[in-house]
Amino acid sequence: DTAVSQTPKYLVTQMGNDKSIKCEQNLGHDTMYWYKQDSKKFLKIMFSYNNKELIINETVPNRFSPKSPDKAHLNLHINSLELGDSAVYFCASSPRDRAGTGELFFGEGSRLTVL
Amino acid sequence: AQKVTQAQTEISVVEKEDVTLDCVYETRDTTYYLFWYKQPPSGELVFLIRRNSFDEQNEISGRYSWNFQKSTSSFNFTITASQVVDSAVYFCALSLNSGYSTLTFGKGTMLLVSP
Repeated sequence: DTAVSQTPKYLVTQMGNDKSIKCEQNLGHDTMYWYKQDSKKFLKIMFSYNNKELIINETVPNRFSPKSPDKAHLNLHINSLELGDSAVYFCASSPRDRAGTGELFFGEGSRLTVL
Repeated sequence: AQKVTQAQTEISVVEKEDVTLDCVYETRDTTYYLFWYKQPPSGELVFLIRRNSFDEQNEISGRYSWNFQKSTSSFNFTITASQVVDSAVYFCALSLNSGYSTLTFGKGTMLLVSP
């Protein structure tokens, strides 16, 4: 049983399209995150949600819109895709009582390629 | 703002050699957490260790050991008797103990262990 699962794992699309990446965790955690890993392997936080509420939004373009229908899901929708959006996107979760410690459980990543 | 520096971009060793991965961090907070994550070629992020700022004891786990020194703001990671399976990108990360803190990652060190 995968604790944090992301779909799709690979996504190839054209510039200008709109796409979504889904994330689900079955750990019962309250806090979920999206991180972006660029072509140089640099990992950076994008968003953090706690119990469906947006907590952190790290100066991400508003073409990126996270949606949390319930605390087990945090989906990432991207409008008008650009070449620079090509990256690996990691979903993660953490338990509420350890959200402040940075102890995260990561999904396997979704590799997005924009042509 | 906090910062994590991994000065070594890539390290190549031969199997059975010992190797140390350096990590230097910056933060003005007195309470924080330090982490190491491993990213093997398959791409997932694997949690290795968490250390809080009040615990400067070194830790050993099998062939892995970590040296935390607040005086030099360093949290170095040593692999003893390296193996080919240790080949991966290793990330050092920092989290502040402030509510819904997130991880600030270093740029990673790619370790290549050849037979």
